[in-house]
Amino acid sequence: AQKITQTQPGMFVQEKEAVTLDCTYDTSDPSYGLFWYKQPSSGEMIFLIYQGSYDQQNATEGRYSLNFQKARKSANLVISASQLGDSAMYFCAMSRSGYSTLTFGKGTMLLVSP
Amino acid sequence: ETGVTQTPRHLVMGMTNKKSLKCEQHLGHNAMYWYKQSAKKPLELMFVYSLEERVENNSVPSRFSPECPNSSHLFLHLHTLQPEDSALYLCASSQEPRGRVTEAFFGQGTRLTVV
Repeated sequence: AQKITQTQPGMFVQEKEAVTLDCTYDTSDPSYGLFWYKQPSSGEMIFLIYQGSYDQQNATEGRYSLNFQKARKSANLVISASQLGDSAMYFCAMSRSGYSTLTFGKGTMLLVSP
Repeated sequence: ETGVTQTPRHLVMGMTNKKSLKCEQHLGHNAMYWYKQSAKKPLELMFVYSLEERVENNSVPSRFSPECPNSSHLFLHLHTLQPEDSALYLCASSQEPRGRVTEAFFGQGTRLTVV
């Protein structure tokens, strides 16, 4: 079975600063994928970034980067230069190889202040 | 057209009603999913359809009945629901190449309230 743990119910950051959202995972699958999604108040889950378990380099997508530490089973999301529009719930998720069915964490609410 | 569209956005129904949630994807994907998001709980996978066949059913009560008539449409038929079924129901789709993991794209969800 797969499990995702997000230990930060809420995070606060000032505009233009960087913030790290924590995610640890547990799985017995040798091959898996790790995802981060953003959910604004409108409800839609917006895909941000993906890291494959065999990828050698950390994934980056614009202001988002994933700090993947396989031995520690962590996949933290780093948002650089925070913007007011980044205020939302952020979910870490994982899937097993061959399927896109996702196991989600409980999420972290990020609030960006001016 | 947005990638994944869900209707209605909001639904209030009584416990004896029958209603359906609709999901349509315009991305040419071959897999579709229903997730349930309850307050203070992680998203839970309910059903998975790949190439219009149900491939996963996570012990969901029979009062929820999915239907996938083609690769672009997915329905969730609801009947005799309970108040604890009130939640945000999210539809997602993905393209499933063999042996690879790809991201799923989600709709905006249907906020269901059972009274």
